[in-house]
Amino acid sequence: GENVEQHPSTLSVQEGDSAVIKCTYSDSASNYFPWYKQELGKGPQLIIDIRSNVGEKKDQRIAVTLNKTAKHFSLHITETQPEDSAVYFCAASIGHSGNTPLVFGKGTRLSVIA
Amino acid sequence: DSGVTQTPKHLITATGQRVTLRCSPRSGDLSVYWYQQSLDQGLQFLIQYYNGEERAKGNILERFSAQQFPDLHSELNLSSLELGDSALYFCASSVAPAGGQETQYFGPGTRLLVL
Repeated sequence: GENVEQHPSTLSVQEGDSAVIKCTYSDSASNYFPWYKQELGKGPQLIIDIRSNVGEKKDQRIAVTLNKTAKHFSLHITETQPEDSAVYFCAASIGHSGNTPLVFGKGTRLSVIA
Repeated sequence: DSGVTQTPKHLITATGQRVTLRCSPRSGDLSVYWYQQSLDQGLQFLIQYYNGEERAKGNILERFSAQQFPDLHSELNLSSLELGDSALYFCASSVAPAGGQETQYFGPGTRLLVL
């Protein structure tokens, strides 16, 4: 089955710097890769997603890149702010038939130091 | 606010007991997913329902069961509870178009503590 590895597990950056989180997946049939942000005491919140027919997607300070050949995808946050501090999870769809469950990475705890 | 609601927010119970967690999906969403989040295992998929029918099963124990009702709300039943069942339980929902992968929106979760 699908397996998702996420690195690093913790990341500290200075306010204004960039943060990069990387994930790899094992199932080449996966075609949907969302990223979620989870703040303390809350449920995961989708921040950006990418489908396998594109290599990059950007939304203001957040971007995601996908390399299908290497089976890895990354989250890039630029101009980090203290409110970006949270746990970030990458995920991959199980298979490609649509509306399938997600397999999550173990999460990255991002701390933005003011 | 994702539009997905879960009750209760917190639940404290004893080993051997049975509890029911409830989820109401976003308006119009036909698919409901249940996930368990624990410190050592991370977020793990348990089970999915689509329009009242079981669609996919993940790492769900036999002591756990779920169902989706005609009004599309879902319940997750956990029985013969053990200490290791203490975790956050999340429900997520998505629409079900003819094809493609739709975004899953997560509820705020139910924190279960088994003593």
